[in-house]
Amino acid sequence: EAQVTQNPRYLITVTGKKLTVTCSQNMNHEYMSWYRQDPGLGLRQIYYSMNVEVTDKGDVPEGYKVSRKEKRNFPLILESPSPNQTSLYFCASSFWDRVVYEQYFGPGTRLTVT
Amino acid sequence: DQQVKQNSPSLSVQEGRISILNCDYTNSMFDYFLWYKKYPAEGPTFLISISSIKDKNEDGRFTVFLNKSAKHLSLHIVPSQPGDSAVYFCAASARSGGSNYKLTFGKGTLLTVNP
Repeated sequence: EAQVTQNPRYLITVTGKKLTVTCSQNMNHEYMSWYRQDPGLGLRQIYYSMNVEVTDKGDVPEGYKVSRKEKRNFPLILESPSPNQTSLYFCASSFWDRVVYEQYFGPGTRLTVT
Repeated sequence: DQQVKQNSPSLSVQEGRISILNCDYTNSMFDYFLWYKKYPAEGPTFLISISSIKDKNEDGRFTVFLNKSAKHLSLHIVPSQPGDSAVYFCAASARSGGSNYKLTFGKGTLLTVNP
């Protein structure tokens, strides 16, 4: 089954404790991206990757890191989480020539930072 | 600056009636528009799209209308069904100008279809 998976689905952590949210897709997509969804703000792009070893900032990259060492994986790293990073996070993927037509989203990771 | 606006946070309609979800945009460079649907505890899923060279695109019960002069698009669902109850996101892209193939999303509209 073609899908985008994220782990964990739910995470409660404390300020300053490094964490990684994993994202994996099995569709051989070149493009992968991370979004956060906050009440009243919709979906905002954090980082994206056009292919292995190619990443770039989205609209709200502060406090986040990413890496793309393999085509299928695109982890989101919070080196020192803060309460304002409490949010619902989505990973998405697409073929590079269909990014603006259709992206496939993962189920989401709900992160709470206390 | 919010470039894609969904001014109605919520909409409630009766089953069988028409649902109309609206979206306005400010960036004249946008040339492709999409609607995504999101159920609770799931990621958004692509619903329907329209290119700026068209003014209408239809797919079953779903039709998207684009008014470029007004920078306005709408999603019509006819007839509405309880299973359509979800958050609907409008998104836009400037394919020719965007260097990062970026989608800009609106804040979403919660549609509730009452049986």
